[in-house]
Amino acid sequence: SAVISQKPSRDICQRGTSLTIQCQVDSQVTMMFWYRQQPGQSLTLIATANQGSEATYESGFVIDKFPISRPNLTFSTLTVSNMSPEDSSIYLCSVEGDREYEQYFGPGTRLTVT
Amino acid sequence: GENVEQHPSTLSVQEGDSAVIKCTYSDSASNYFPWYKQELGKRPQLIIDIRSNVGEKKDQRIAVTLNKTAKHFSLHITETQPEDSAVYFCAASPYDKVIFGPGTSLSVIP
Repeated sequence: SAVISQKPSRDICQRGTSLTIQCQVDSQVTMMFWYRQQPGQSLTLIATANQGSEATYESGFVIDKFPISRPNLTFSTLTVSNMSPEDSSIYLCSVEGDREYEQYFGPGTRLTVT
Repeated sequence: GENVEQHPSTLSVQEGDSAVIKCTYSDSASNYFPWYKQELGKRPQLIIDIRSNVGEKKDQRIAVTLNKTAKHFSLHITETQPEDSAVYFCAASPYDKVIFGPGTSLSVIP
């Protein structure tokens, strides 16, 4: 399976600021996904990012708060904008594997907002 | 949209016993059902999956069953070992996205 990396691995940010999280894959992939995992909770899909088109957001997530870029087939960014303490979570990217629908996750970015 | 429920939320078993986790889903369009294992502080790892044209799949000590009519699927772990202790997530995939269940925290007691 693909090797997926994320930057930063963790960060502590002040409320009202923004953080951009990077996801890099070592091979070209069509579909990339961004998830949020709040402490002790399950994974919630934020959006699907396909290269060459706008990201598709899930209910409860909006582009103004979580803008996503997908400039090529190996890279994507998620920005968490105007952060509040409620945004403190682990943010994970995932990519589709060789078999249809299967997904593999990056190591995650642990975000703490103070 | 798809909704996935999972039971139990916590499960403790003695080493060597079997563990069973059950999930239900709501969207009949779902045709792919993966299971992920997440150890503390680590990323979720895909451990096994099943597609809607198959009723059962086995990989060493792990097996999954699927009942599309009843919209439920299960994970079976036999001969549990302490390293099986983790949070397990079931998921269902309608079309091109994956929706996760709430998770089951499995503890295997030596």
